[in-house]
Amino acid sequence: QKEVEQDPGPLSVPEGAIVSLNCTYSNSAFQYFMWYRQYSRKGPELLMYTYSSGNKEDGRFTAQVDKSSKYISLFIRDSQPSDSATYLCAMTNAGGTSYGKLTFGQGTILTVHP
Amino acid sequence: ETGVTQSPTHLIKTRGQQVTLRCSSQSGHNTVSWYQQALGQGPQFIFQYYREEENGRGNFPPRFSGLQFPNYSSELNVNALELDDSALYLCASRGGPSGVTDTQYFGPGTRLTVL
Repeated sequence: QKEVEQDPGPLSVPEGAIVSLNCTYSNSAFQYFMWYRQYSRKGPELLMYTYSSGNKEDGRFTAQVDKSSKYISLFIRDSQPSDSATYLCAMTNAGGTSYGKLTFGQGTILTVHP
Repeated sequence: ETGVTQSPTHLIKTRGQQVTLRCSSQSGHNTVSWYQQALGQGPQFIFQYYREEENGRGNFPPRFSGLQFPNYSSELNVNALELDDSALYLCASRGGPSGVTDTQYFGPGTRLTVL
């Protein structure tokens, strides 16, 4: 079993839709949770970062973390064609050489069509 | 753009060969991490260097090795290449190892194909 499982699989939505992306994890030591966006032929860029449980909002993006359920989500409101990319969840714990080691989900390919 | 650059962009090697990939960190960043991203998968942590010393390693065999130089640029070396080594190799730099909240800035990656 992978430490981090991401769903859904490839997702295609119309412009303006609300998108929900999710990850579950098994390592209860994870405390820092991130969402990255990766365009084709580019490296991942950080979208959202959340520490421990709670919600965080940034424009059209909302990140939620539920540590009791080991479940994190990213919501995109009013999705735009420019949001078409691969979305990766990532997480890390705190301490020692684990600093900087990110554990990623397998990614969700999102396509927003006009 | 993040300021992290990688070279080369693409590389084709044959099984058994050796390869060196290069990364130039964002200015002021003294920590670099390397990740392997297979097609359709998320990146997997290979190792991390801080001030020229390896201070964290993922589940990769010793034929994956690295160097970090005084100017904080970095190399990833892979010996005895295998077909499964075909992947996108990403480096990420950040300001220092203390504090997991430091934002990691990823380069565009090097696409390695092993035939």
